[in-house]
Amino acid sequence: DSGVTQTPKHLITATGQRVTLRCSPRSGDLSVYWYQQSLDQGLQFLIQYYNGEERAKGNILERFSAQQFPDLHSELNLSSLELGDSALYFCASSKQGSNQPQHFGDGTRLSIL
Amino acid sequence: GEDVEQSLFLSVREGDSSVINCTYTDSSSTYLYWYKQEPGAGLQLLTYIFSNMDMKQDQRLTVLLNKKDKHLSLRIADTQTGDSAIYFCAESSTGGYNKLIFGAGTRLAVHP
Repeated sequence: DSGVTQTPKHLITATGQRVTLRCSPRSGDLSVYWYQQSLDQGLQFLIQYYNGEERAKGNILERFSAQQFPDLHSELNLSSLELGDSALYFCASSKQGSNQPQHFGDGTRLSIL
Repeated sequence: GEDVEQSLFLSVREGDSSVINCTYTDSSSTYLYWYKQEPGAGLQLLTYIFSNMDMKQDQRLTVLLNKKDKHLSLRIADTQTGDSAIYFCAESSTGGYNKLIFGAGTRLAVHP
């Protein structure tokens, strides 16, 4: 158990819909990262938050947004969903903003029908 | 640019050693990581090595880093069926950020 909690484990929805993925970091970790794992793109970094502030952005679509709350949990919002958004979404956390190993949750599997 | 490459598949006999190889491009990466993903599970941090080290050993795992060739390897001694999984190599990006750049993963199959 990595200590990173992601909910829900599975999500099935339709095109055009909006979903929210939730992540609770390990106790004491200030940084939260979101990654997408898909068959064609592999593991791709989406976005990083550190102590409530956006720190770095990767290949995140404009339809996607995230935030980190004062209690350090984070949410990833995906809107106007398309078939290609079907993937496994991982959250990871680390103690500081840089040069710290990241510990991953079990992921949320998103299926778009 | 940043890129990490791994071979896609490795098959070994139970009890043998497994060696999974990885090449990376960003010579200024601070840390290099190995993660393990079992079917239906998340990414488990196996080990990591700081870029100024050549080798790190952790029980059955040995990581070797050749900075000149930008080559990283993971050796698993006495490979067991429970080691069957996908192994990802990752480098941390530069610029003060910590995003990880992953390889495509090496699927390790352990057979009796």
